Amino acid sequence: NAGVTQTPKFRVLKTGQSMTLLCAQDMNHEYMYWYRQDPGMGLRLIHYSVGEGTTAKGEVPDGYNVSRLKKQNFLLGLESAAPSQTSVYFCASSNRLAGVTGELFFGEGSRLTVL
Amino acid sequence: GENVEQHPSTLSVQEGDSAVIKCTYSDSASNYFPWYKQELGKGPQLIIDIRSNVGEKKDQRIAVTLNKTAKHFSLHITETQPEDSAVYFCAASKGGSARQLTFGSGTQLTVLP
Repeated sequence: NAGVTQTPKFRVLKTGQSMTLLCAQDMNHEYMYWYRQDPGMGLRLIHYSVGEGTTAKGEVPDGYNVSRLKKQNFLLGLESAAPSQTSVYFCASSNRLAGVTGELFFGEGSRLTVL
Repeated sequence: GENVEQHPSTLSVQEGDSAVIKCTYSDSASNYFPWYKQELGKGPQLIIDIRSNVGEKKDQRIAVTLNKTAKHFSLHITETQPEDSAVYFCAASKGGSARQLTFGSGTQLTVLP
């Protein structure tokens, strides 16, 4: 049972480059999320999706785009990477909306460094 | 919006001692308070949660208490073991929307053998 899988786990980019992080879940969850984790700041929601074909902005959406073309996949894109986007990115999924006793299942994270 | 403050940022205890991590929240409408544990190199994992209609909840060596009046909640770990060493995050939510779950900044707990 793989749960939530993120690829890649590590990536180094130069300023201005683009990249996509892929998240896949095998639990048939409706809801998926992308968070970033920075030292001393906890987890902050970037974008989320409540179902296939839908996305919505979270707390810190600027500079990121997402797509949910298939129920099991949630992609996070950086069109023009900036050093401020250096972070650890976590994907999560849940079968209910997070916060309504909807346990979040997290992937192992993707560490992104922008030079 | 909601603001969740978590203290302390680091905590070291001797194996077998108790550990307490405290969080305060700002929005009195928040009604759901989960705690997540993040081991090194892993994603966070839910360990316990509590709703606003309950004052305390226990699960073996861990317990969470909630004081709605003071708007704070705490995680208590008794008889700590080395495998309890991890980063712990509290969170608060009003429910109903994914964007309404706000995390604290985390506490690095180290259990010394």
